[in-house]
Amino acid sequence: EAGVTQSPTHLIKTRGQQATLRCSPISGHTSVYWYQQALGLGLQFLLWYDEGEERNRGNFPPRFSGRQFPNYSSELNVNALELEDSALYLCASSFWDGYGYTFGSGTRLTVV
Amino acid sequence: AQKVTQAQTEISVVEKEDVTLDCVYETRDTTYYLFWYKQPPSGELVFLIRRNSFDEQNEISGRYSWNFQKSTSSFNFTITASQVVDSAVYFCARLLVELTFGQGTILTVHP
Repeated sequence: EAGVTQSPTHLIKTRGQQATLRCSPISGHTSVYWYQQALGLGLQFLLWYDEGEERNRGNFPPRFSGRQFPNYSSELNVNALELEDSALYLCASSFWDGYGYTFGSGTRLTVV
Repeated sequence: AQKVTQAQTEISVVEKEDVTLDCVYETRDTTYYLFWYKQPPSGELVFLIRRNSFDEQNEISGRYSWNFQKSTSSFNFTITASQVVDSAVYFCARLLVELTFGQGTILTVHP
């Protein structure tokens, strides 16, 4: 069974640009979660999508947004990139009740 | 916010030593789930264990064991006879709606 897949693995962007990160959940999982792990910091919850709807949002500015598609895959968009957005972005998926919570390998975003 | 606290920022041991990683959590809920994850240098989060708040039985899996004590809101993780391959960052987390992580403990096992 395929795990949670994220693309791209690495992404380099210039300050002010937009970044789009993608996540494909495990088959059968309807929930997708996004987390940010900045260097030296812990894992911060960004967004939770379930059945195509945004269910919860962490303490991040509106330039962090995303969506979930009918096939349950998800995109995270970061607009007006700032240097401090450089981080590892991890996606996770689960069943609707949180069971089977599994993480992908992450996308390392570098803003220069 | 209901926090998860891992008081040990870094632990350094010599191979074959036993090591315990502490985790204390806050919650106002009666039903919740607790997790431990391992993050090796490659960056991915490797699932180790998921524990239901109603199940206070300790669990052992090979060299790994977990001690869940609801009375003290703790969910500690012990590695017996540590190995160099155990070197990683270990995260404790609590699931209510989404996962809330502790700050992580960097474990270094020296040969």
